[in-house]
Amino acid sequence: NAGVTQTPKFRVLKTGQSMTLLCAQDMNHEYMYWYRQDPGMGLRLIHYSVGEGTTAKGEVPDGYNVSRLKKQNFLLGLESAAPSQTSVYFCASNPQPRLGYTFGSGTRLTVV
Amino acid sequence: GENVEQHPSTLSVQEGDSAVIKCTYSDSASNYFPWYKQELGKRPQLIIDIRSNVGEKKDQRIAVTLNKTAKHFSLHITETQPEDSAVYFCAATPGGGADGLTFGKGTHLIIQP
Repeated sequence: NAGVTQTPKFRVLKTGQSMTLLCAQDMNHEYMYWYRQDPGMGLRLIHYSVGEGTTAKGEVPDGYNVSRLKKQNFLLGLESAAPSQTSVYFCASNPQPRLGYTFGSGTRLTVV
Repeated sequence: GENVEQHPSTLSVQEGDSAVIKCTYSDSASNYFPWYKQELGKRPQLIIDIRSNVGEKKDQRIAVTLNKTAKHFSLHITETQPEDSAVYFCAATPGGGADGLTFGKGTHLIIQP
């Protein structure tokens, strides 16, 4: 039982490049979330999903897209990376609202 | 949307003393308040949570209190130990809860030997 797995763990992108971050959970959770963590800013919600085939915008969605084609996977895409997207990205999941999240181990992304 | 304020940003206490971290929230419909601990380079981990129908909850050396009228909640750690050194985040779930957690900006707790 791996919980929540994020790939890759580290990545360096050049400005304008694109990439996809993968989040996979094996707990049959309905709800999945993408957060970014920046120094002194806490965790800010980018996008979330309340079930397979659904997505919704969070607090800071600009520059990102997401897809949830399968219940266990939640993908975060950056179409044209910018230095402002340098951050640590965390995926999380829970079986229903008002229950604690299980977080992935994070992806450290640097855009140069 | 929900706004969560957390204080202090840094807290240094002597080993064995108590530590208190405070948070306020803006959405009176919020009804779930978890606390997460994040060690350096690691993922956040849930340490305790409280729901709006409860005023206080304890788990060994950790307790959380909630004042719905004032819209604030606090984390209390007693008999602090070196392994308590970490960044602590409070969070709130606005409305029905399906929209995800809103986090405070974190408190760096330093335990002095």
